[in-house]
Amino acid sequence: KAGVTQTPRYLIKTRGQQVTLSCSPISGHRSVSWYQQTPGQGLQFLFEYFSETQRNKGNFPGRFSGRQFSNSRSEMNVSTLELGDSALYLCASSRRTSGNHNEQFFGPGTRLTVL
Amino acid sequence: DQQVKQNSPSLSVQEGRISILNCDYTNSMFDYFLWYKKYPAEGPTFLISISSIKDKNEDGRFTVFLNKSAKHLSLHIVPSQPGDSAVYFCAASDNYKLSFGAGTTVTVRA
Repeated sequence: KAGVTQTPRYLIKTRGQQVTLSCSPISGHRSVSWYQQTPGQGLQFLFEYFSETQRNKGNFPGRFSGRQFSNSRSEMNVSTLELGDSALYLCASSRRTSGNHNEQFFGPGTRLTVL
Repeated sequence: DQQVKQNSPSLSVQEGRISILNCDYTNSMFDYFLWYKKYPAEGPTFLISISSIKDKNEDGRFTVFLNKSAKHLSLHIVPSQPGDSAVYFCAASDNYKLSFGAGTTVTVRA
């Protein structure tokens, strides 16, 4: 079974530009979550989509947005990029365990550098 | 507000010895806890988990202990191997969302 895939793997942008990142979840997984990882901050939750609807949202400004398509693939968009947006952006697809818990599987991430 | 904390940013251990990683949480609604391992330039990979109805879960060299009254969990790796050198993240779930700690970098010395 193929894992979570993310494209592109690396991206360099300049301040003020916008960027779109893509994520394809594991086949059969309907939930996709996005995280931002910066040094010393761990993984900060951005948002989660389930069946094309945003189900949860973290504490990020409105410049960060996302969407999910009917095939469960998801995109996240960051507009008006700032230097502080430089980070590794991780996508995770989820399944429910037999105990009805949420278990997430991560993609390799997209490394975004803002100059 | 950091609901999951890993207070040790790094840990160095001799090969063959035990590695103990600690994690504290503040939200009593968390009912499922996970540990992830991350190598550079890769996404985190799931390692082991524990439900709040248990206090211990074991999988090979990895054991997770949960102390609900203290809101504390730990991961034991025995014996530690060079391939265990990575960043370890503790995560807690309150249904759909996972909250992560900042990570602990483990270095296993030969």
